[in-house]
Amino acid sequence: DSGVTQTPKHLITATGQRVTLRCSPRSGDLSVYWYQQSLDQGLQFLIQYYNGEERAKGNILERFSAQQFPDLHSELNLSSLELGDSALYFCASSAAQGYGYTFGSGTRLTVV
Amino acid sequence: DQQVKQNSPSLSVQEGRISILNCDYTNSMFDYFLWYKKYPAEGPTFLISISSIKDKNEDGRFTVFLNKSAKHLSLHIVPSQPGDSAVYFCAASARNDYKLSFGAGTTVTVRA
Repeated sequence: DSGVTQTPKHLITATGQRVTLRCSPRSGDLSVYWYQQSLDQGLQFLIQYYNGEERAKGNILERFSAQQFPDLHSELNLSSLELGDSALYFCASSAAQGYGYTFGSGTRLTVV
Repeated sequence: DQQVKQNSPSLSVQEGRISILNCDYTNSMFDYFLWYKKYPAEGPTFLISISSIKDKNEDGRFTVFLNKSAKHLSLHIVPSQPGDSAVYFCAASARNDYKLSFGAGTTVTVRA
């Protein structure tokens, strides 16, 4: 157990739907990062939050949004889902804005 | 645009021999490099890193070499063990930019 908790582990949904992925960071970590891993691809950075504020944005689609709540957990919202959104979504956390990422085990999203 | 490339999707090596994983990058602003290891159904876990001020970093059986002029780094695992069978991701970051750019990964299989 890495200390970063992601729920759900698996999600199957239909095109056009909306889903919410949840991440609880490791205790004490203020930074949360979201990454997407599509088939045979590396992890693509989506967005970073630090202590409730958005700090960096990657190639995140407009249909996707995220937030970090006062208790530091984060949610990634994916809407108007398309088949191509099927991927593994990883959350990672770190104590500060540092390189010591700890990853969760991911949420596998399948859009049918 | 893939700024970090791992051109070998897979590597098979006999137990006890050396595993050499390669990684190339294109962004000259990258100054910190990491290797992550990933088992199925788990998130990536940090393995070893190297700063651009060094050309070698060693941790037990794992050594990372950095060739800045060639924009190339490699991970050596000596000796390879069955538990090393996993997917290895190369990642890089630029100064003061804590998001990581990942390669597509290399699947290592250690044969008994």
